[in-house]
Amino acid sequence: DQQVKQNSPSLSVQEGRISILNCDYTNSMFDYFLWYKKYPAEGPTFLISISSIKDKNEDGRFTVFLNKSAKHLSLHIVPSQPGDSAVYFCAASAGSLRDMRFGAGTRLTVKP
Amino acid sequence: NAGVTQTPKFRILKIGQSMTLQCTQDMNHNYMYWYRQDPGMGLKLIYYSVGAGITDKGEVPNGYNVSRSTTEDFPLRLELAAPSQTSVYFCASSYSKVGRLAGGPSTDTQYFGPGTRLTVL
Repeated sequence: DQQVKQNSPSLSVQEGRISILNCDYTNSMFDYFLWYKKYPAEGPTFLISISSIKDKNEDGRFTVFLNKSAKHLSLHIVPSQPGDSAVYFCAASAGSLRDMRFGAGTRLTVKP
Repeated sequence: NAGVTQTPKFRILKIGQSMTLQCTQDMNHNYMYWYRQDPGMGLKLIYYSVGAGITDKGEVPNGYNVSRSTTEDFPLRLELAAPSQTSVYFCASSYSKVGRLAGGPSTDTQYFGPGTRLTVL
């Protein structure tokens, strides 16, 4: 029962361009969404989050958009840099971090 | 601050063996978690703890046990290793407030350790 889906296993973009990573969810009780970034041989690190009371949250080059009616969120990275190459996980919570569900991840490669 | 540390980094077990995965955090976080990540899948919660002496099951607890005798440590025990437990295990911690913030959702996040890659043959 995959409540959080990242349908693109991989994405490749050119340095300086926009990267758009997508995530869909099925549980309408989810009200808090997070993106994590993971480098090889390291644990995930928190990147950015958004509460369901908002539809957009920005932090520097990273912006997360939430479309509640479509049960869809996306992460935009502008401009993309080679150091952004990593696996990105989206996660959704229904009120507590212990209820969190993770997507399978999207591997982003940013080419110089 | 070392953050969240996990040992060992790698381990190979034979079927039926037991082992303990160690996890320590030095951020004085209340909450600690154990996740497993199987290839091509998202992280799944095994167990979590909201404080010393308090633990509870997550999404996939079967075959595992935990204890939390101190704020800092949250070991994960595998009693009878099975091939289905071959995975990468991540420990995490957070300073989550218990329940929701007044009028809104929890806004805390987690800090992860580097993981333990376990193979059961």
